[in-house]
Amino acid sequence: KQEVTQIPAALSVPEGENLVLNCSFTDSAIYNLQWFRQDPGKGLTSLLLIQSSQREQTSGRLNASLDKSSGRSTLYIAASQPGDSATYLCAVLRTGFQKLVFGTGTRLLVSP
Amino acid sequence: NAGVTQTPKFQVLKTGQSMTLQCAQDMNHNSMYWYRQDPGMGLRLIYYSASEGTTDKGEVPNGYNVSRLNKREFSLRLESAAPSQTSVYFCASRLYSELNTEAFFGQGTRLTVV
Repeated sequence: KQEVTQIPAALSVPEGENLVLNCSFTDSAIYNLQWFRQDPGKGLTSLLLIQSSQREQTSGRLNASLDKSSGRSTLYIAASQPGDSATYLCAVLRTGFQKLVFGTGTRLLVSP
Repeated sequence: NAGVTQTPKFQVLKTGQSMTLQCAQDMNHNSMYWYRQDPGMGLRLIYYSASEGTTDKGEVPNGYNVSRLNKREFSLRLESAAPSQTSVYFCASRLYSELNTEAFFGQGTRLTVV
């Protein structure tokens, strides 16, 4: 069974800091890994998708890396802003399955 | 482009009542999903439909039924609501392909069973 863990569960940083969110998964047979953002009381917004053949993806201040062999992904946020405050979720799509398996998320607070 | 649309956004039910949560996507996706989100539990898959005409159980299917009405629509039914089904329900869709495109989510339905 695929299990996905996100550490830390919560993170509080001052504005301007660079930060790293971690995601680990137990089964390396994955199609892809997707990072989402969720604002309080809202749905999930897709940030980045990394296919299994890729090592990283970048979008603006966000950079996500994938190391399948170690079962790890990181989301790097550069020059954090208060508007980045949200819960960040990672999800993996297992090879041969249609199901996305989610981690429990990291709740990020960026203070002005 | 509306993406994934869920109705209703909020609902309060009494124990034992039934209701159907509606989901529609306009992205021509073939795979659709229903998840529930509970504090401390993350998102758990209830049912999914890999393509029109097929449905499969996810991690927590008990107490729910689904219908893939057509390619656009995937509904979730609670036949006899229980307080344990108080949750936020999310519908999602994606286009299955070798390139594995992103999954897109609706805004959620907040259900309270009293």
